[in-house]
Amino acid sequence: AQSVTQPDIHITVSEGASLELRCNYSYGATPYLFWYVQSPGQGLQLLLKYFSGDTLVQGIKGFEAEFKRSQSSFNLRKPSVHWSDAAEYFCAVGPFSGGYNKLIFGAGTRLAVHP
Amino acid sequence: DTAVSQTPKYLVTQMGNDKSIKCEQNLGHDTMYWYKQDSKKFLKIMFSYNNKELIINETVPNRFSPKSPDKAHLNLHINSLELGDSAVYFCASSPGSGGAATDTQYFGPGTRLTVL
Repeated sequence: AQSVTQPDIHITVSEGASLELRCNYSYGATPYLFWYVQSPGQGLQLLLKYFSGDTLVQGIKGFEAEFKRSQSSFNLRKPSVHWSDAAEYFCAVGPFSGGYNKLIFGAGTRLAVHP
Repeated sequence: DTAVSQTPKYLVTQMGNDKSIKCEQNLGHDTMYWYKQDSKKFLKIMFSYNNKELIINETVPNRFSPKSPDKAHLNLHINSLELGDSAVYFCASSPGSGGAATDTQYFGPGTRLTVL
């Protein structure tokens, strides 16, 4: 069965430090992979997505993610974190369900940023 | 000019009541979804509609009935509310006729439902 694991429930970093959020997936075929961010009281916003091609994808707000098939991972990175990045981050995989879109989400990683 | 909007934002009600949550998207998308986010922040798809037709139903209790009057609207009606229904419900939409996995889903701000 398809699944997404985000091993870190909560991460705290200092402003200006680098960030890496981990995501591992279980899926039989080539996955479509997504990272979404949820700010407090807000809906989810797409940061970036991977469908095929270059395994390093660039997203909004200075985020990037790298797809590593051998490790079944799609980790999110940012070289320098800003206080406004404090939010909940969700990794998701989008398999087909009878040919239709169905996102399966990880449990999320809550990011706190210290000034 | 919000892309995906939901009403109400907060909903507090008693067990056993019936309530509805409305969702509207002005993106011209063909596919809409309902997700449930539980208290542990775990997000799970409930339903998906394409052009008013149900295409995904993820073993949700019959008390939950989505209704799509047109492709821009997908409402969620819940009968006989239970304590376990307390959650944040997110509506989303995506372009494309089949809701392909490559279509980006755009989410609404969520409706926090509290059942007392």
